[in-house]
Amino acid sequence: AQSVAQPEDQVNVAEGNPLTVKCTYSVSGNPYLFWYVQYPNRGLQFLLKYITGDNLVKGSYGFEAEFNKSQTSFHLKKPSALVSDSALYFCAVRDTYKYIFGTGTRLKVLA
Amino acid sequence: DTGVSQDPRHKITKRGQNVTFRCDPISEHNRLYWYRQTLGQGPEFLTYFQNEAQLEKSRLLSDRFSAERPKGSFSTLEIQRTEQGDSAMYLCASSQTQGGSGELFFGEGSRLTVL
Repeated sequence: AQSVAQPEDQVNVAEGNPLTVKCTYSVSGNPYLFWYVQYPNRGLQFLLKYITGDNLVKGSYGFEAEFNKSQTSFHLKKPSALVSDSALYFCAVRDTYKYIFGTGTRLKVLA
Repeated sequence: DTGVSQDPRHKITKRGQNVTFRCDPISEHNRLYWYRQTLGQGPEFLTYFQNEAQLEKSRLLSDRFSAERPKGSFSTLEIQRTEQGDSAMYLCASSQTQGGSGELFFGEGSRLTVL
């Protein structure tokens, strides 16, 4: 079965510094990978996805993610963090027609 | 607003009562999903519809849970004889098969509290 793992429950970063939120995956076949963000008491918002092609994927709000097949990773990155980026981030993988989500990583950007 | 809408946003009920949630997907989306999210956890898949057909149902969905999508438009999720363990956020999402880019579009969720 397909799965994703987010090894960090929380990531703290200073405003203006680069941020990385980690995700590793386990799939049979080619992975369809996604990142979502969730603000308090809200639904999930799509940030970006990897289906095929370039290993560096650009998404919304200045976020990007790097797909690494040899390390089975799909880490979310941003060159310069904003306080408003503080939220819960979920990595997901598509398994046939359903989507399997990780446990989430809480990102805190400190002013 | 043409996003996914869910109703009600919040529901407080007593144990043993029945509750029903409604989801209106984005109009051109033929796939509809229900997920459950508890505090500090990621969304867990419950069930999935393509048009009006319920194609997959998680083992998490006990006999007390039922979902429908009549005519392939809106969907309802009913929980009968609620238990305290049913307290969670119930998320609905939709996507399209043709011409879509594969991501799910989520509603704001329906938070259930069972007393």
